[in-house]
Amino acid sequence: EPEVTQTPSHQVTQMGQEVILRCVPISNHLYFYWYRQILGQKVEFLVSFYNNEISEKSEIFDDQFSVERPDGSNFTLKIRSTKLEDSAMYFCASIWDIRNEKLFFGSGTQLSVL
Amino acid sequence: DAKTTQPNSMESNEEEPVHLPCNHSTISGTDYIHWYRQLPSQGPEYVIHGLTSNVNNRMASLAIAEDRKSSTLILHRATLRDAAVYYCIPLSNAGNMLTFGGGTRLMVKP
Repeated sequence: EPEVTQTPSHQVTQMGQEVILRCVPISNHLYFYWYRQILGQKVEFLVSFYNNEISEKSEIFDDQFSVERPDGSNFTLKIRSTKLEDSAMYFCASIWDIRNEKLFFGSGTQLSVL
Repeated sequence: DAKTTQPNSMESNEEEPVHLPCNHSTISGTDYIHWYRQLPSQGPEYVIHGLTSNVNNRMASLAIAEDRKSSTLILHRATLRDAAVYYCIPLSNAGNMLTFGGGTRLMVKP
């Protein structure tokens, strides 16, 4: 089965630094998502992206966050100035059509902000 | 969003059937009931979804109550690999944002 690929699997950064989390969605998919999960807590929606623009975002997705699809294959999440509370597992997901039945998730990037 | 209620945890023996319940009494008429699961250290994974009729696929079966206020995910023969957190999520459209609750942590004993 096709997979969503995320790199790196683990990222360690200092507070205040910028990080970019990378995702390669499934190749013919058109809709892209970022979710995050703080240790021991629920999976939370961050943002959805379609046709090169954000379609929906949560309250968590403030001005420190941005997403980009720089080329035909990558989808990135940038955090401009990381805070301790940004430490979490970040999951990328994609879907071909929103009427399809399932979202495909990657295995995640564990971000640790020190 | 429809509110869901699931048991925090359940236990099963390997190779026995498991019935995971979910209450979603405020579900709207157009919401599908999606189930995802999250294996340890993995991203969520789609399991099954349905609207009104019971559904089967290679992973599981979904039994939906006639009034749609509850549903049950059925794993016919639990394996150790099925140990995961199972989430029931009402959703009008697969592309909408998924709202994950606490889910049910399924433990499978050998």
